[in-house]
Amino acid sequence: EPEVTQTPSHQVTQMGQEVILRCVPISNHLYFYWYRQILGQKVEFLVSFYNNEISEKSEIFDDQFSVERPDGSNFTLKIRSTKLEDSAMYFCATSFSTYEQYFGPGTRLTVT
Amino acid sequence: RKEVEQDPGPFNVPEGATVAFNCTYSNSASQSFFWYRQDCRKEPKLLMSVYSSGNEDGRFTAQLNRASQYISLLIRDSKLSDSATYLCVVNTPENTGKLIFGQGTTLQVKP
Repeated sequence: EPEVTQTPSHQVTQMGQEVILRCVPISNHLYFYWYRQILGQKVEFLVSFYNNEISEKSEIFDDQFSVERPDGSNFTLKIRSTKLEDSAMYFCATSFSTYEQYFGPGTRLTVT
Repeated sequence: RKEVEQDPGPFNVPEGATVAFNCTYSNSASQSFFWYRQDCRKEPKLLMSVYSSGNEDGRFTAQLNRASQYISLLIRDSKLSDSATYLCVVNTPENTGKLIFGQGTTLQVKP
């Protein structure tokens, strides 16, 4: 069964550093998303991406965040200057339409 | 009012029990609804989409009441492996793909 993969599974970084989280979507999926989940809290939408551009973003997704699909397969989330409050689980999700989304296993980001 | 609100948990039930989870959503224009399952520190996994007429998948039945803005999930004959957090999820009314998650309800099935 096709699945979404994410790397790394765990990233530890110092405050102020840049991080790049990577996702490989399911091959025929056209819509890509990033969500995050702070420990003990609900899953929150960050951004959606379709046809090589952002289609929607949340208030959380400020200028410190960016997404791209650099090579037609990977989908990345970059955080330019990490803050302590960026510590969370980051999930990539993909879908063929804007309907049913399939989530990757997540990257746990710890900012120290 | 929260966008998606779920029953507070945890629900502790014996194996074989029937358990029901409820969820309400605030935006009456929402069109797409889902139940996801999340195991501890894992990703949400799509359990089922919820259709207007209600739908069933094995031991799981989902119902939608648009008038009351209410979604339910019924699990029959609970198994130990059903222990997880169940997430009620709503798409934006425009069906843009932005999913709005409830806080989740934790189910613990005991032998």
